[in-house]
Amino acid sequence: QSALTQPPSVSGSPGQSVAISCTGTSSDVGAYKDVSWYQQHPGKVPKLIIHDVNKRPSGVPDRFSGSKSGNTASLTISGLQADDEADYYCCSYAGSPYVFGTGTKVTVL
Amino acid sequence: EVQLVESGGGLVQPGGSLRLTCAASGLTFSSYWMSWVRQAPGKGLEWVANIRQDGGENFFVDSVRGRFTISRDNAKNSLYLQMHSLRAEDTAVYYCATIAVAQSFFDYWGQGTLVTVSS
Repeated sequence: QSALTQPPSVSGSPGQSVAISCTGTSSDVGAYKDVSWYQQHPGKVPKLIIHDVNKRPSGVPDRFSGSKSGNTASLTISGLQADDEADYYCCSYAGSPYVFGTGTKVTVL
Repeated sequence: EVQLVESGGGLVQPGGSLRLTCAASGLTFSSYWMSWVRQAPGKGLEWVANIRQDGGENFFVDSVRGRFTISRDNAKNSLYLQMHSLRAEDTAVYYCATIAVAQSFFDYWGQGTLVTVSS
């Protein structure tokens, strides 16, 4: 049950795109379609933004997109906006436990 | 509107016990797997435990197995986390969360309750 690996930080200017990787193993990310992503602003509750690798809940802008290849999932934020500055966590189902990623801080320059 | 409200957090000495409660409203509580997720100060999210809709099955992260128990009372729309033998590394905000029906992601989250383990 080791945490999934994410880059500690990524940054971009408004309007640019950034991508966050989430690397697991063949027992979690590589084994299941159940990869989700959560956005957390400072002092706030995590918010679901992507589930089932690439599905967006109602109300989440289509600027947020997800993908997966092998043991690595990715979140892409297009058209970066100031409000996108937050921490982002991936999460994978892993049989019966769940495992979160280490988290990535997105900075809007 | 779905609401999950955690309570029961506080300061406890190492080796002590604490019971967290999550009161749910605005949803058919008995239809959901429920989870506890925690976040140590300044750290990332960590899944802690799950419990099935009828309470008949549960799972724990290795670091708490044998020390924590999870339970629920569907008649009271409530989820519980009983924590024993608490350690400094259990210090965190504890969130309760629903697992979306027939899915494997956390769709609703409570505001969290802070547990501090310190002498």
